Amino acid sequence: EDQVTQSPEALRLQEGESSSLNCSYTVSGLRGLFWYRQDPGKGPEFLFTLYSAGEEKEKERLKATLTKKESFLHITAPKPEDSATYLCAVTNDYKLSFGAGTTVTVRA
Amino acid sequence: KAGVTQTPRYLIKTRGQQVTLSCSPISGHRSVSWYQQTPGQGLQFLFEYFSETQRNKGNFPGRFSGRQFSNSRSEMNVSTLELGDSALYLCASSLTRGLAGANEQFFGPGTRLTVL
Repeated sequence: EDQVTQSPEALRLQEGESSSLNCSYTVSGLRGLFWYRQDPGKGPEFLFTLYSAGEEKEKERLKATLTKKESFLHITAPKPEDSATYLCAVTNDYKLSFGAGTTVTVRA
Repeated sequence: KAGVTQTPRYLIKTRGQQVTLSCSPISGHRSVSWYQQTPGQGLQFLFEYFSETQRNKGNFPGRFSGRQFSNSRSEMNVSTLELGDSALYLCASSLTRGLAGANEQFFGPGTRLTVL
């Protein structure tokens, strides 16, 4: 059965304190891995799609990387507006399986 | 460009009733997927529609159904509501098949359903 595990569950950071979120997965026939950001009371906002091991993508202070078994979302010098729940999801053409998310809180 | 819209945003129903939720995708998008989000189970895939046909289905009982119209708008129906159906229901649209080829999906704000 497809499984997506995110760690840690929660992360509290000081503004400027860089850190990484982990997403480990087991899925047959991986077609892609997604990262989303979700703010309270809103739908997830698309961040990145990664298709193959070794791929990296960047957007502002965020950088996502992919290996054969896990993905990392690096947050460099975070700001309070980066506070959100970050969700990882994998697809194998038939369904999209989400992890439980990592809730990031950045204090000024 | 307008995003994905969902109506209504909030809904309160009682056990045994049925409910219909609506989703209008981004203009030009042909695929709509539905998800249920709860604190205990997180985000779970319900089904995906493309060209008015259900392409994939998650592990939900037959009480959950949906359809897609020729203009790509989609509706989701839940019959015989149970307390456990209380959740945020999200729809997402993508240009082509959302799951096949790992195409980007864009989510709406969701419909918050409360079953009493």
